[in-house]
Amino acid sequence: EIVLTQSPGTLSLSPGERATLSCRASQSVSSSYLAWYQQKPGQAPRLLIYGASSRATGIPDRFSGSGSGTDFTLTISRLEPEDFAVYYCQQYGSSPPNTFGGGTKVEIK
Amino acid sequence: EVQLLESGGGLVQPGGSLRLSCAASGFTFSSYAMSWVRQAPGKGLEWVSAISGSGGSTYYADSVKGRFTISRDNSKNTLYLQMNSLRAEDTAVYYCAKDPYDYIWGSYRSYWGQGTLVTVSS
Repeated sequence: EIVLTQSPGTLSLSPGERATLSCRASQSVSSSYLAWYQQKPGQAPRLLIYGASSRATGIPDRFSGSGSGTDFTLTISRLEPEDFAVYYCQQYGSSPPNTFGGGTKVEIK
Repeated sequence: EVQLLESGGGLVQPGGSLRLSCAASGFTFSSYAMSWVRQAPGKGLEWVSAISGSGGSTYYADSVKGRFTISRDNSKNTLYLQMNSLRAEDTAVYYCAKDPYDYIWGSYRSYWGQGTLVTVSS
């Protein structure tokens, strides 16, 4: 089973700043099968990125994903007030279980 | 517009049973794999179970194998999760999710319902 480690656990930033979130896998994720989700309090997760770098439908271009192998990054170029949330990565390149990372909380500084 | 509406959650005693339902609309239900993902209070996400579009293939996490059964009724556009022998550690919000294609062995979750809370407690 591939274990995903997200860092940092919490990121304290101000609106307008750039956010860089990391997701590291215990083994190589084949074909960059990595997704990112955003979850706001009391809401369901929402798909942001799949295939490591493809934005899901309706996702603003300030969100971008990159990486391959074992190291992946979600970047929010300029934080908007609605971007403060918890972000999860998930790999789906190996046999099940398709595991999730533990999450990174982006909070207002 | 894809819509997923879960129901059936509630309070149940340890050892009890519960059946969750997820009514789907806005897409051709039988053409897509579907999943259940849960989130314990204050915790992260855990993929629990998945089922192919025809219902012929299923997956269960080790934590629920032998206790939970996933099924679907394509004539009713509804996904189910039958949960038996419930334990305190099964307490969580259970989300129904649509996968982007009909393949359960490796996929992400493209759309999510709002979730239904299951509490296992005496």
